[in-house]
Amino acid sequence: GAGVSQSPSNKVTEKGKDVELRCDPISGHTALYWYRQRLGQGLEFLIYFQGNSAPDKSGLPSDRFSAERTGESVSTLTIQRTQQEDSAVYLCASSLGTSGGEKETQYFGPGTRLLVL
Amino acid sequence: QKEVEQDPGPLSVPEGAIVSLNCTYSNSAFQYFMWYRQYSRKGPELLMYTYSSGNKEDGRFTAQVDKSSKYISLFIRDSQPSDSATYLCAMSPRGGRRALTFGSGTRLQVQP
Repeated sequence: GAGVSQSPSNKVTEKGKDVELRCDPISGHTALYWYRQRLGQGLEFLIYFQGNSAPDKSGLPSDRFSAERTGESVSTLTIQRTQQEDSAVYLCASSLGTSGGEKETQYFGPGTRLLVL
Repeated sequence: QKEVEQDPGPLSVPEGAIVSLNCTYSNSAFQYFMWYRQYSRKGPELLMYTYSSGNKEDGRFTAQVDKSSKYISLFIRDSQPSDSATYLCAMSPRGGRRALTFGSGTRLQVQP
């Protein structure tokens, strides 16, 4: 089956513009995560969706960042009024999200490379 | 100070060498430890998953966790050029169905 897909693969934007990034999780995965990876850095957690529960937004760096997910399908990450420090790779992951899923694996997409000029 | 520290490398070894990759961490609540491999311009893929202290072996890969020292390791035996990638350690207090805390990654180059 298909893995996690993300679009666009690359995005170049001007400072101050809004951008929207899309993630299609693996079919049947109820848990979805967004991470940010700056050049030469590890992944930073941004937000986590689990089924119909309220999302864990504790990793969002500012109120310019928001994300939505409709049911157990596609998610979009929106960055408003982009800044140069937002330049990074934005990675999406999904997992089964079963109860007691302490040993679940997060499967990552290829990421969207965002460059803010 | 970062919660998870990882030497960025790069680490260059000849083909066939044993590779040792390490991470240290400060949060004693971490109980689940993972190693991901990331090829250039790709998303990370899970290599090893361990819970609490101890060793786990899978083919040429061995993961070790020493919670008393807050130190984890990944060993790669008989390294191959195809192992050339960035290796990221990740950990969580509550397993994979939660946000993971990642190290910055170690870039490994295996020379043929």
